[in-house]
Amino acid sequence: GENVEQHPSTLSVQEGDSAVIKCTYSDSASNYFPWYKQELGKRPQLIIDIRSNVGEKKDQRIAVTLNKTAKHFSLHITETQPEDSAVYFCAANGAGSYQLTFGKGTKLSVIP
Amino acid sequence: DAGITQSPRHKVTETGTPVTLRCHQTENHRYMYWYRQDPGHGLRLIHYSYGVKDTDKGEVSDGYSVSRSKTEDFLLTLESATSSQTSVYFCAISENGRMEQYFGPGTRLTVT
Repeated sequence: GENVEQHPSTLSVQEGDSAVIKCTYSDSASNYFPWYKQELGKRPQLIIDIRSNVGEKKDQRIAVTLNKTAKHFSLHITETQPEDSAVYFCAANGAGSYQLTFGKGTKLSVIP
Repeated sequence: DAGITQSPRHKVTETGTPVTLRCHQTENHRYMYWYRQDPGHGLRLIHYSYGVKDTDKGEVSDGYSVSRSKTEDFLLTLESATSSQTSVYFCAISENGRMEQYFGPGTRLTVT
């Protein structure tokens, strides 16, 4: 099955700096890569996703890049704000299925 | 948030007792999923459903069963709860033909 590795597990940045979280996946048939944000005690919220036919996608201060050859994808958050503090999860759909395999999460802390 | 509710939201039960968690959606989505979330493990798929009476196992299905007799309801049953099943359980839904998954508010289950 699919295996998704995510790093770093924790990340601290100063407010206004950029944050980058990286994930690698094992199944070359994966074609959908979402990112979720989870605030303490809340449900995971889908914040951005990318499909394998696209190399980059942006939505305001967040962007995701995908390198199919290397089988890795990354989340970029620019101009970080304290409200960006949360746990972020990446995921991939092994074998192009509807099922998602998640990374173990990155706890992002934005220091005012 | 998508129209997804979970019940109960919190439950404490004793080892060996049966437990049923309910996920209810008002979106008429075809796909429904049960995940468990544990520190250091991210979100792991337990079971999923691709239609009424159509279910399949996920990564961590041992000790769990599911049923889906109506489009809107997906039940997760722990036949004989164990302490290792103490976790936060999330339900998610997705539309047929679309990959995006949306999560319910979660159920915190403690097995003593």
